[in-house]
Amino acid sequence: DQQVKQNSPSLSVQEGRISILNCDYTNSMFDYFLWYKKYPAEGPTFLISISSIKDKNEDGRFTVFLNKSAKHLSLHIVPSQPGDSAVYFCAASSSVSSNTGKLIFGQGTTLQVKP
Amino acid sequence: GAGVSQSPRYKVAKRGQDVALRCDPISGHVSLFWYQQALGQGPEFLTYFQNEAQLDKSGLPSDRFFAERPEGSVSTLKIQRTQQEDSAVYLCASSDQGVGNQPQHFGDGTRLSIL
Repeated sequence: DQQVKQNSPSLSVQEGRISILNCDYTNSMFDYFLWYKKYPAEGPTFLISISSIKDKNEDGRFTVFLNKSAKHLSLHIVPSQPGDSAVYFCAASSSVSSNTGKLIFGQGTTLQVKP
Repeated sequence: GAGVSQSPRYKVAKRGQDVALRCDPISGHVSLFWYQQALGQGPEFLTYFQNEAQLDKSGLPSDRFFAERPEGSVSTLKIQRTQQEDSAVYLCASSDQGVGNQPQHFGDGTRLSIL
């Protein structure tokens, strides 16, 4: 059972426009959510996170939105740059069902930003 | 400061051989995680250490997988009698988990190929 789902395997956006990456989850116990970016042959790099007590968190060009009732989160990148081209993973953890902080990852979305 | 370091970056072994993968976490990080990433998938949790204590090994796929962190710093993931389905990228992550929700920081992984 896939508890965290990224239903779009790929996304292509023009440079300067907004990129919106989506993620759905099924476990209502998740209370901490993160986005990671991954380049080929490198490990995932932490981008931004959000706690379940918030519905928005912003860091520069990156904003994460959380809709708990829909069990949905999204990552907005504005403006998109060619260097943003990478695989993006959303991940979630639960402090209630696990005291380890282990992350459950989605399958990833490949973002291509065209110059 | 230095990030999470993993070695070797690539490992090729024949089926049935034992392998050992090393992880050097960020200095001072209490929490250490191992994940397995199959091609085209998100990372999947294997095991978790808090200092030298292995508090969660629920993700280890079989008793051929063994992990240790004897001095609460460097960790080793050992796979005995390797099989072809063990081929994957093995990622190590560390975090300063003792202060509430903290992001995990990943190494670049070890790509293991079993022939």
